[in-house]
Amino acid sequence: ELKVEQNPLFLSMQEGKNYTIYCNYSTTSDRLYWYRQDPGKSLESLFVLLSNGAVKQEGRLMASLDTKARLSTLHITAAVHDLSATYFCAVQTGANNLFFGTGTRLTVIP
Amino acid sequence: DSGVTQTPKHLITATGQRVTLRCSPRSGDLSVYWYQQSLDQGLQFLIQYYNGEERAKGNILERFSAQQFPDLHSELNLSSLELGDSALYFCASSPHGGGGTDTQYFGPGTRLTVL
Repeated sequence: ELKVEQNPLFLSMQEGKNYTIYCNYSTTSDRLYWYRQDPGKSLESLFVLLSNGAVKQEGRLMASLDTKARLSTLHITAAVHDLSATYFCAVQTGANNLFFGTGTRLTVIP
Repeated sequence: DSGVTQTPKHLITATGQRVTLRCSPRSGDLSVYWYQQSLDQGLQFLIQYYNGEERAKGNILERFSAQQFPDLHSELNLSSLELGDSALYFCASSPHGGGGTDTQYFGPGTRLTVL
C-alpha cells in the first residue's frame, strides 16, 4: 500500500522566518495535493501538482514536486500568524482515492 | 465555504447503534468521496461514488456502507457501532471521476462520538 510520510510532524516557527515541510511517498504517483486544515475545520485545497518539476506559489506558500525522488516540499516564506494550521500532503495513484500524510501542525509565534 | 454540505454536524450515539451521515456535493460535481479522520489512523479514504456507481473502495469496514442517489447526494451508513468508530467523517466532491486536475473539495465534516 502507498505510504506517505511528512516531516516534521510539529513545527513551531517565529514570524518572519522561512521553513520547509517535506512529503515523501513510497510508490509512483503523478498527482500530489497540499491541503490546509484549521482546528476543528475542514480541509482547504492549496495546490495540485501534476508533473515532475511542477512548482506552484500562492502568497507565502510555494509547493514543488520531484516525482523521481518521490518528494514534494511546501516552503513557507516569512511566516505570519495566519499560516498557523495543519498542512497535509496527499498522493493520488491510478485509483481515485487520496493517500494522506500524517500532517504537519504549524504554529507561528509572534 | 467549499460548497459541499454535510449533516449532521455532530452525532452522539451508543455502541451497537446505526447512524446515517448525509452529504450534498457541490453543484455539478459527479463524484462523492468519504473519508474518516481519527487521531490514531489519520485521514483514510473509505469509498468513492461517481454518478451513482461505486468507483473506488478504500479501507471501509464491512459494517459501513454508502450509496449515491440520482440527485447525487450521498449517504454513509455506519452500523454495529464501536467505540473505535468515533471520528470525524468528511465527504468530498469533484467534478468528474478523478484524475487530472479533478481536485476534491471537502465538506465541513460530521463528528461522530460513540459512547
